[in-house]
Amino acid sequence: DTGVSQNPRHKITKRGQNVTFRCDPISEHNRLYWYRQTLGQGPEFLTYFQNEAQLEKSRLLSDRFSAERPKGSFSTLEIQRTEQGDSAMYLCASSLGSRLSGNGYTFGSGTRLTVV
Amino acid sequence: DAKTTQPNSMESNEEEPVHLPCNHSTISGTDYIHWYRQLPSQGPEYVIHGLTSNVNNRMASLAIAEDRKSSTLILHRATLRDAAVYYCILRNKAAGNKLTFGGGTRVLVKP
Repeated sequence: DTGVSQNPRHKITKRGQNVTFRCDPISEHNRLYWYRQTLGQGPEFLTYFQNEAQLEKSRLLSDRFSAERPKGSFSTLEIQRTEQGDSAMYLCASSLGSRLSGNGYTFGSGTRLTVV
Repeated sequence: DAKTTQPNSMESNEEEPVHLPCNHSTISGTDYIHWYRQLPSQGPEYVIHGLTSNVNNRMASLAIAEDRKSSTLILHRATLRDAAVYYCILRNKAAGNKLTFGGGTRVLVKP
């Protein structure tokens, strides 16, 4: 297993276009998270899945954003009608949920989105 | 989520220890203390976590105050590869499973 994989690594799009990012988590991890990070800031939580169920969504996730994890494996994050303010690094992480609260997350290297 | 406070930045010399403080005065009894670091152009990386007792692993040590209102991440011998932003995070299962990142401490390691 090569860790959490995110594609593409970079995406440049024109304002108003739709974009979709993909995340492949570590295969045995049942939890998957999406974060957004802008320059100089820490990552901000967007949403999280346990298996295929989306259990929590941040208020940051406007109606232009949608995330899916159809078979409880890979996930996609789609942004519709992109705006310049959507320019950021989009990070995916996965973890193995268990009774222990301490399980660490494994993050991918992110997808850097630039909206021009 | 309970809040943590960290210095914005710290400098260290190569091969010297680095002590990164974190204040979390509003920590609850069920909050775990997690540390992650983020190297340039990479996603965050898990470093260590603890609840009450001090913890050691191959990357670092975590010293937790007796009242749990503060903790210190210790890098025993800093290398240039340890230059990163280090985040101290409180994680509580009852509040959901997400990690809430603050601004972190940017560590600069000088050769």
